[in-house]
Amino acid sequence: DQQVKQNSPSLSVQEGRISILNCDYTNSMFDYFLWYKKYPAEGPTFLISISSIKDKNEDGRFTVFLNKSAKHLSLHIVPSQPGDSAVYFCAANSYNAGNMLTFGGGTRLMVKP
Amino acid sequence: DTEVTQTPKHLVMGMTNKKSLKCEQHMGHRAMYWYKQKAKKPPELMFVYSYEKLSINESVPSRFSPECPNSSLLNLHLHALQPEDSALYLCASSQTTGLPGYTFGSGTRLTVV
Repeated sequence: DQQVKQNSPSLSVQEGRISILNCDYTNSMFDYFLWYKKYPAEGPTFLISISSIKDKNEDGRFTVFLNKSAKHLSLHIVPSQPGDSAVYFCAANSYNAGNMLTFGGGTRLMVKP
Repeated sequence: DTEVTQTPKHLVMGMTNKKSLKCEQHMGHRAMYWYKQKAKKPPELMFVYSYEKLSINESVPSRFSPECPNSSLLNLHLHALQPEDSALYLCASSQTTGLPGYTFGSGTRLTVV
């Protein structure tokens, strides 16, 4: 049973436009959500996170939105740049469950010049 | 130092070989993790060490043997692997298992022939 799902395996966006990556989860015990970016043959790099007590967190071009009632979060990248092309993983954890990260399947973002 | 260093970056081994993967961090993190990632799949948790003690083993076959000699080092000893064990092996660390967010290493690309 996949507790964290990223239903879009890939996304293509024009440079300068907005990229929206979506993530759904089923476990209501999750209390912290993270986005990681991964280039080929490299480890995931932490990008941005959000606590379940918030509904938005912004860091430069990156904003994460959390809708707890819908168990949905999204990552907005504005403006998108070719260097943003990578695989983006959504991850969630629960403090009461030992704080282990559960990853979604990833979305490959391609930003075209 | 804010990095997790993994060596080697690439490893090719036969099914009868014995090899070891090494992971090192000097951030004072007391939790360290081994993940396995197959192509186009999310990272899958294998082992968790907390304060140098194995706290989680996600039903990993005994041909994978983790070791944590001290708070900065994490090894993964490999013996009698199968071709299907070929994957990217990622090491990660965090301050403790009670805090969210990990720092990942770049991984070791393992090929079993």
